[in-house]
This record gives sequence, C-alpha cells and structure tokens, in this order.
Amino acid sequence: AQSVTQLDSQVPVFEEAPVELRCNYSSSVSVYLFWYVQYPNQGLQLLLKYLSGSTLVKGINGFEAEFNKSQTSFHLRKPSVHISDTAEYFCAVRNTGFQKLVFGTGTRLLVSP
Amino acid sequence: GAGVSQSPSNKVTEKGKDVELRCDPISGHTALYWYRQSLGQGLEFLIYFQGNSAPDKSGLPSDRFSAERTGGSVSTLTIQRTQQEDSAVYLCASSHPGQGSYEQYFGPGTRLTVT
Repeated sequence: AQSVTQLDSQVPVFEEAPVELRCNYSSSVSVYLFWYVQYPNQGLQLLLKYLSGSTLVKGINGFEAEFNKSQTSFHLRKPSVHISDTAEYFCAVRNTGFQKLVFGTGTRLLVSP
Repeated sequence: GAGVSQSPSNKVTEKGKDVELRCDPISGHTALYWYRQSLGQGLEFLIYFQGNSAPDKSGLPSDRFSAERTGGSVSTLTIQRTQQEDSAVYLCASSHPGQGSYEQYFGPGTRLTVT
C-alpha cells in the first residue's frame, strides 16, 4: 500500500528565512505527487503538482518542489517565507491508474516576525 | 466560478443519531471524492464517484457509512448510529479528469462533533 511520510510535524521559521518541508513516499509504481496547503478553518488548496517531465515544479505563492525518484522524495521549498505562509501543508501521492489521494500527516509551518 | 460547497459547516449530534452531510461539486466536474480529516488518523480517503460508474467505496470505515450521488452532481454522505470516533472534518472534493488537470478541488468541510 502507498504511504506518505512527513517527518516534521511542525517547522518554526522566521519571516524572510528559507524553508524546506520534507516529504517521502513509498510506491513501486508511477505516481503523481501534490502539495496542498490548509489555512485555519478552510479546505485544502493545491500549491503544486508533479505529473511528469521536469523534476522541478513551481507552484503558487513562490513555492517549488523537486521530485527525486531515486530517493522517493518530493520536498517543498520557499526561499523567503512570509507571515501569511503560516498554515498546515500536506503532501499527497496518487498512483497514475487510480484517483484517490493518499496524504501525509501534515507539517505545520509557523512563521514568526 | 463557484467552488465546491458543503453543508452544514458544523454539525453537533448525539451518539447513536444518524447524520447527513451534503456536497455540491463544481459544475461540470464528473468526479467526486469524500475524505475525512481527524486528529488521530489524518486525512483519509472514504469514497470516490466517477460519472455513472460504480463508486470506489474502499475507504469507508464501516457499514454505518454510505454515500450516494444523485444525477451525477450533488452527493450525500450518511453516517448511521454515530459514534464518538466519527468526530472529524469531512471534506468533499471534485475534479474533471477528462480535462487532464488531475487536480482535486476541495470544499471547506463539515465539522462533525458526536457527543
């Protein structure tokens, strides 16, 4: 069965500092990879996705992620965070032949001034 | 255009009662999903509808859970004889696989509290 691991449950960072949120997945087949963000009391919003092609994927709000097949990783990065980036971030994976998303447990990003 | 909407936004019910949660997908989206978000289990897939095909019910945790989708649009998730462990946020999402976007658009969720 597929699984997604987000080792960091919480990442504190100062405003304007860079950040990396880690995501590793387990799957023996081709996958699609996603990062979603959830602001307090809101639903999930897609930040970016990897389907195929270039392993570096750029998303909204200045975020990017790199797909590394050999390490089965899809880490999310931002070179300079803002207070407004404070939210919960979820990594998700989907087999190419199936529709359901398998989510990681989430990483809470806390940006302080 | 309008996004995915869910109602009610909050529901408090007594243990043993039945509840119905509603989801209105984005117009034209043929695929609809239900997920559950709880403290102990994170985000879990429950059920998936695609057009007129038989739904994928593989994520439903027990036979107390059921869902239907009428007319290929609105969906209702029903939980019978609710238990305290059913307390969670129930999220609905829709997508249009035919457009190749692969993106699932999520609603704001229904927070269910079983007392």
